[in-house]
Amino acid sequence: AQSVTQPDIHITVSEGASLELRCNYSYGATPYLFWYVQSPGQGLQLLLKYFSGDTLVQGIKGFEAEFKRSQSSFNLRKPSVHWSDAAEYFCAVRSSGGSNYKLTFGKGTLLTVNP
Amino acid sequence: NAGVTQTPKFQVLKTGQSMTLQCAQDMNHEYMSWYRQDPGMGLRLIHYSVGAGITDQGEVPNGYNVSRSTTEDFPLRLLSAAPSQTSVYFCASSYSAQFQRNTIYFGEGSWLTVV
Repeated sequence: AQSVTQPDIHITVSEGASLELRCNYSYGATPYLFWYVQSPGQGLQLLLKYFSGDTLVQGIKGFEAEFKRSQSSFNLRKPSVHWSDAAEYFCAVRSSGGSNYKLTFGKGTLLTVNP
Repeated sequence: NAGVTQTPKFQVLKTGQSMTLQCAQDMNHEYMSWYRQDPGMGLRLIHYSVGAGITDQGEVPNGYNVSRSTTEDFPLRLLSAAPSQTSVYFCASSYSAQFQRNTIYFGEGSWLTVV
C-alpha cells in the first residue's frame, strides 16, 4: 500500500530565509507525487506535481520540488520565504497505474514564518 | 477552487443525529471522493466514486454512507453522529477516474462538530 511520511510536524523560518519541507513516500513503482498547501480555514490548493521526466518540478508561488527515486523523496523548496507562505503543507502520492485512484496524504507540515 | 461546492460550511450536531454533507461539481468529473481532516492526521479517505452508480470504501468508511446517482453530486451521510466524527470534511474530484494524472480539485471544506 502506498504511504507518505512528512517527518517535520512544525517548521519555523524567518522571512527571506530558504525553506525545505521533507516528504518520503512508499510505493512499489514510480508514483505520482503532489504538494498541496492549505491556508487557515481554507481548502487545499495544488502547488506542484510530478508524473515523469525532469525530476525538478516548478510550481506556483515560487515553489519547486525534486523527485529522488533513490531516496524515495519529494522535498519541497523555496529560496526565499514570504510571510504569506505561512500555512500547512501536505505531500501526497497517487498510483501511476492500475485501478488504484486513491490520493494518499502525509500528515502535514505546519510552516510558521517569523518577521 | 475549480468548481467543487460543499454545503454546509459549518454544522453542529448532537450525538445520534443524522445529516448529509452535500458535494457538487459542475466540471463533468468522473472521480469524486470524501476526506476527513483531523489535527496531526492529515487527510484520510472516507469513500470515493469512479462514476455514477459506483462507490467504494476508503481508509476510514465506518459511520458514513455515500451514493452517486448523478455525475455531479456525491453526498456524504452520517447515519448516527458520534463525537469522533467531529472533523473537517473535504470533497474532491477529478476529470477521469482512469487517468491518475488528472489534477484532483478540493472543495473549501465543511466543519462539523458533534456534541
